[in-house]
Amino acid sequence: AQRVTQPEKLLSVFKGAPVELKCNYSYSGSPELFWYVQYSRQRLQLLLRHISRESIKGFTADLNKGETSFHLKKPFAQEEDSAMYYCALLTPFGGKSTFGDGTKLTVKP
Amino acid sequence: EAGVVQSPRYKIIEKKQPVAFWCNPISGHNTLYWYRQNLGQGPELLIRYENEEAVDDSQLPKDRFSAERLKGVDSTLKIQPAELGDSAVYLCASSPFFEGGGDEQFFGPGTRLTVL
Repeated sequence: AQRVTQPEKLLSVFKGAPVELKCNYSYSGSPELFWYVQYSRQRLQLLLRHISRESIKGFTADLNKGETSFHLKKPFAQEEDSAMYYCALLTPFGGKSTFGDGTKLTVKP
Repeated sequence: EAGVVQSPRYKIIEKKQPVAFWCNPISGHNTLYWYRQNLGQGPELLIRYENEEAVDDSQLPKDRFSAERLKGVDSTLKIQPAELGDSAVYLCASSPFFEGGGDEQFFGPGTRLTVL
């Protein structure tokens, strides 16, 4: 069975500092990986997905199949980045969806 | 576009009572998911529908949980009887397609269930 692990429940950085939210996964095939974000009092929403290879709100994430990781990075954190971040895995054909337990990011002024 | 709609937003019941949650996905989305999210944890998949067919209900506790998606649009998730451990946020999500690959899930606001 697949598994997604986000080792940090809480992460706090100062505005302008780099930030990295870690995500490790276990799955024998080639999954699709996503980062979802939940801002205060809002619903979960997609931040980015690995197949698009794009930068959203300054965030990027690279899929490392060798290390089975999909870490989320931003070079200069902003206060508005404060939110809950969830890493998610989707199996390619079974469509089974698995989420990590999330990391709460706080960006201090 | 209202997005995924869920009701009620909050529900407080006593244990052993039944409860039902309703979800209306985004128009045209064939895939519908029900998740349970316990405090401090990520969403846990309960059931996934492709149109009206439940294609993955392996994590649905079938002794007390049931779900349906008549006509492949709206869906209802029911718990009968509820237990204290069922207190959680129940999330519904929909996705525009699933054809050999996954796509973005659009989430509803969730229903917060408290079982006393």
